[in-house]
Amino acid sequence: AQRVTQPEKLLSVFKGAPVELKCNYSYSGSPELFWYVQYSRQRLQLLLRHISRESIKGFTADLNKGETSFHLKKPFAQEEDSAMYYCALSQAGTYKYIFGTGTRLKVLA
Amino acid sequence: EAGVAQSPRYKIIEKRQSVAFWCNPISGHATLYWYQQILGQGPKLLIQFQNNGVVDDSQLPKDRFSAERLKGVDSTLKIQPAKLEDSAVYLCASASTGASYNEQFFGPGTRLTVL
Repeated sequence: AQRVTQPEKLLSVFKGAPVELKCNYSYSGSPELFWYVQYSRQRLQLLLRHISRESIKGFTADLNKGETSFHLKKPFAQEEDSAMYYCALSQAGTYKYIFGTGTRLKVLA
Repeated sequence: EAGVAQSPRYKIIEKRQSVAFWCNPISGHATLYWYQQILGQGPKLLIQFQNNGVVDDSQLPKDRFSAERLKGVDSTLKIQPAKLEDSAVYLCASASTGASYNEQFFGPGTRLTVL
């Protein structure tokens, strides 16, 4: 069965420290992986997707098919990065998402 | 472009009552989703529409939940009768299937409390 696992419910780091939010997935086909973010009092919104291999707000994520992981990384955390982060898997061609349980990132001053 | 609109934003009802939520997707988006997000969990897909047809409703509790998308635009999600465990945020999202990737755009959600 398809599954997305985010092992950490809460991750606290100090400003300027590196951040890594973990995401592991289980999927037999060829997945599309995404990171969505929800800032306080805002809507859930797309942060980045693996296909584009881009850096958004300093965040990057690499799809590792061998380890079935899609960890989100940022070398230097900022206070404005504090938010709820969700990893999501889309089954190619279905436009259907499976979300992880989310990780709350708190960046401390 | 205007975002996905949802109403009401908050609703408090007693168990066994009925409730309805409304969603207006981004103009031109053919795909519409309803998600249930229980506190501490990620969004769980309830139903997916493509225009006015249902693509996936495998996780919709059909004995109490129903949804429709008349004319392929607005959608309503209904719960009748509500149970305590239905307390959650109900999210609507839409997507353009013409895009090169399937980014979903989310509404603000409706927070339902069942007493």
